[in-house]
Amino acid sequence: GENVEQHPSTLSVQEGDSAVIKCTYSDSASNYFPWYKQELGKRPQLIIDIRSNVGEKKDQRIAVTLNKTAKHFSLHITETQPEDSAVYFCAGGGATNKLIFGTGTLLAVQP
Amino acid sequence: GAGVSQTPSNKVTEKGKYVELRCDPISGHTALYWYRQSLGQGPEFLIYFQGTGAADDSGLPNDRFFAVRPEGSVSTLKIQRTERGDSAVYLCASSLVSGWDTGELFFGEGSRLTVL
Repeated sequence: GENVEQHPSTLSVQEGDSAVIKCTYSDSASNYFPWYKQELGKRPQLIIDIRSNVGEKKDQRIAVTLNKTAKHFSLHITETQPEDSAVYFCAGGGATNKLIFGTGTLLAVQP
Repeated sequence: GAGVSQTPSNKVTEKGKYVELRCDPISGHTALYWYRQSLGQGPEFLIYFQGTGAADDSGLPNDRFFAVRPEGSVSTLKIQRTERGDSAVYLCASSLVSGWDTGELFFGEGSRLTVL
């Protein structure tokens, strides 16, 4: 079945540094790759997404890259701030509108 | 309200009991999803509705789990003969989907189920 793997499970960076989270997916029919941020005790919220017809998308300090050949996609956060601390989930899907989520990355930004 | 609403927010039940969890999606959203999230894990797909019909129920773990959406709006997730392993946060999400184009999922706050 479909599978999305996410690494690392935890990531600690200094404020102002960059953070990179990587995901791989198994279903070659997937064409939609969103990233969700979940703060402690809160609901997941979309921060950025990318579709398979582009290789990169940026939104201020956040960017996502996609390599369809290798079935990899990554989240890049630059100039990290303490409020970026949260759990980040990647997801893949779109072939049947079913989104499969990764296991999450706990990002801690140290002030 | 403008967001996805889930009730109850917390449910404690005993092993073997029956439980219903309700989701009220954003008005006009045709797609509705149920996920289950255990501590430290990502949301685990359970079922997806497009309108009134279950378009994909491949994530339901066994026949104790069932979900309905009779009028294409509110959905109810039903769990029979609950087991301790069913304890988790059950998340509902809705989306404005056109054709096969997956869109942003808007999640509710979740229903925390504890089976004693």
